[in-house]
Amino acid sequence: GAVVSQHPSRVICKSGTSVKIECRSLDFQATTMFWYRQFPKQSLMLMATSNEGSKATYEQGVEKDKFLINHASLTLSTLTVTSAHPEDSSFYICSAKLAALYNEQFFGPGTRLTVL
Amino acid sequence: GEDVEQSLFLSVREGDSSVINCTYTDSSSTYLYWYKQEPGAGLQLLTYIFSNMDMKQDQRLTVLLNKKDKHLSLRIADTQTGDSAIYFCAETSGSARQLTFGSGTQLTVLP
Repeated sequence: GAVVSQHPSRVICKSGTSVKIECRSLDFQATTMFWYRQFPKQSLMLMATSNEGSKATYEQGVEKDKFLINHASLTLSTLTVTSAHPEDSSFYICSAKLAALYNEQFFGPGTRLTVL
Repeated sequence: GEDVEQSLFLSVREGDSSVINCTYTDSSSTYLYWYKQEPGAGLQLLTYIFSNMDMKQDQRLTVLLNKKDKHLSLRIADTQTGDSAIYFCAETSGSARQLTFGSGTQLTVLP
């Protein structure tokens, strides 16, 4: 089946630094990737939709200058949390779609970000 | 905007059936999904149903959809301890096919 990986699985950083999270589709080409944020014991909140070769579409309330998304190829999207603060600590999950019309999203295992 | 709601907790005894309920507001939903999330992990798609169906069965899983009431349920037969997890329902509609998730139901299976 379609596999999505994320790297790193866990990251701890100091306040003010930037952190990059990678999302890769391992055995398929993803025209669209999604980035979600999940707080403890809460649901997934969509942050942005990323299409290969174009700018990401951010959800209302998500700062695009703080959460930089780059979808450079059909198998890789990156989320960079710039100037991270403790309130950015969360579980970040990406997902990838096989093709534009196919409805199933395949989820990565998530990245736990802790900002000290 | 679209809203998807679930009860937060459900406890069942091992071997019993579990029924997790979900309601949604978007009448244009095309697909409805059930995902399972184990601690510290991503989401695993369990099953999905197209909006013109009212039931789908897949081994121990039965999905019921009442489109009129906008109510979706997931029944897990012969629930096992390995079924303990958070279960999310989700829906998509529109051309963007974005997923809107419910709050998740924590299923606890007691021995």
